[in-house]
Amino acid sequence: GEDVEQSLFLSVREGDSSVINCTYTDSSSTYLYWYKQEPGAGLQLLTYIFSNMDMKQDQRLTVLLNKKDKHLSLRIADTQTGDSAIYFCAESADAGNMLTFGGGTRLMVKP
Amino acid sequence: DTEVTQTPKHLVMGMTNKKSLKCEQHMGHRAMYWYKQKAKKPPELMFVYSYEKLSINESVPSRFSPECPNSSLLNLHLHALQPEDSALYLCASSQGTTHLRETQYFGPGTRLLVL
Repeated sequence: GEDVEQSLFLSVREGDSSVINCTYTDSSSTYLYWYKQEPGAGLQLLTYIFSNMDMKQDQRLTVLLNKKDKHLSLRIADTQTGDSAIYFCAESADAGNMLTFGGGTRLMVKP
Repeated sequence: DTEVTQTPKHLVMGMTNKKSLKCEQHMGHRAMYWYKQKAKKPPELMFVYSYEKLSINESVPSRFSPECPNSSLLNLHLHALQPEDSALYLCASSQGTTHLRETQYFGPGTRLLVL
């Protein structure tokens, strides 16, 4: 079955760049997503990338996809304290639009 | 409008109570989902409705009963729950076109505590 892995924790200083990494095992993954979850809240879709793309940039967010290594990363430029949250990587490959989530990376931004 | 709303935001119930969680979207989406999320864990899929019909039930106990009265609404009826059912229950929706991999939009969740 599909497996999506993320590191548990990342700590950065305000103003620095954050890079959150994700690896997946399903080579048929078609869409890859990044969701942000603040404490006690639902999941907010940040961005997504199709598997035929290598990079996608959206304001402070840059998504890089290495399909050969099955590695996805999310770079947040000029990280702010409001970026502190849990970031979930997710992939969708099979019919029925099933999402497979990673375990989430807790990003802590220090002032 | 890319909003999925859920009510109530918080719910405390006893093991003998019957309650319902509600989810609503007005994006014209035809696929709706229920997820359960325990603390510090990713969401786990419970049910998927496609065009108001239950298409996926991920072996969820019968004390959880979903209902999709129309294309905009999704309910989750709760009865005789256990304390281990305490979690954040998330609703999501997507366009519902089965031939595409679709983006799911999530609601804010209902935080449930079973005493």
